[in-house]
Amino acid sequence: DVKVTQSSRYLVKRTGEKVFLECVQDMDHENMFWYRQDPGLGLRLIYFSYDVKMKEKGDIPEGYSVSREKKERFSLILESASTNQTSMYLCASRSFGTSGNTIYFGEGSWLTVV
Amino acid sequence: QKEVEQDPGPLSVPEGAIVSLNCTYSNSAFQYFMWYRQYSRKGPELLMYTYSSGNKEDGRFTAQVDKSSKYISLFIRDSQPSDSATYLCAMVDSSYKLIFGSGTRLLVRP
Repeated sequence: DVKVTQSSRYLVKRTGEKVFLECVQDMDHENMFWYRQDPGLGLRLIYFSYDVKMKEKGDIPEGYSVSREKKERFSLILESASTNQTSMYLCASRSFGTSGNTIYFGEGSWLTVV
Repeated sequence: QKEVEQDPGPLSVPEGAIVSLNCTYSNSAFQYFMWYRQYSRKGPELLMYTYSSGNKEDGRFTAQVDKSSKYISLFIRDSQPSDSATYLCAMVDSSYKLIFGSGTRLLVRP
């Protein structure tokens, strides 16, 4: 069974704090993604990574950075959290060529910035 | 105009009804089509995946793709209260770009 694990389900952070959201996949997938999901706005891509140490900006990268030092792990970093970053964050992974490029999601991390 | 359009609902049906969920798209380069189900406060889970035009069936779920009309559908037979969720369509084009619909909220009443 495919597995994408987000280590923190619920977090409350203060404005200005540095926040790390961790994601691990056990499917040996090349691609990994970070999305945020807000009511009425759907899924918005923050960053994605084609492979280890590679990253590409998505649609809303401002205020975020990422790190992918190992194939199975993709971290999202909020350098200085702000209240408008309160959201649900979803990590996902995908393998080219198998399962028709389907993408698998983690359970989500609910971040509240106060 | 969005690349993928999906009615947000909510769609409310009685238990046992046949449900039809739909997405339209504008980019003829889309090749792969997926449906995800998302329960409240959970991540989306993959329900169905299709590549070509036509129908694909899995239990009570049928995914339909009409590339000529740029229209995809998900049918749920004998709907159950446990089917109440948000359903997201997703599409991948020839450059592997992935686009999601905004989701349709479904409520199946007992």
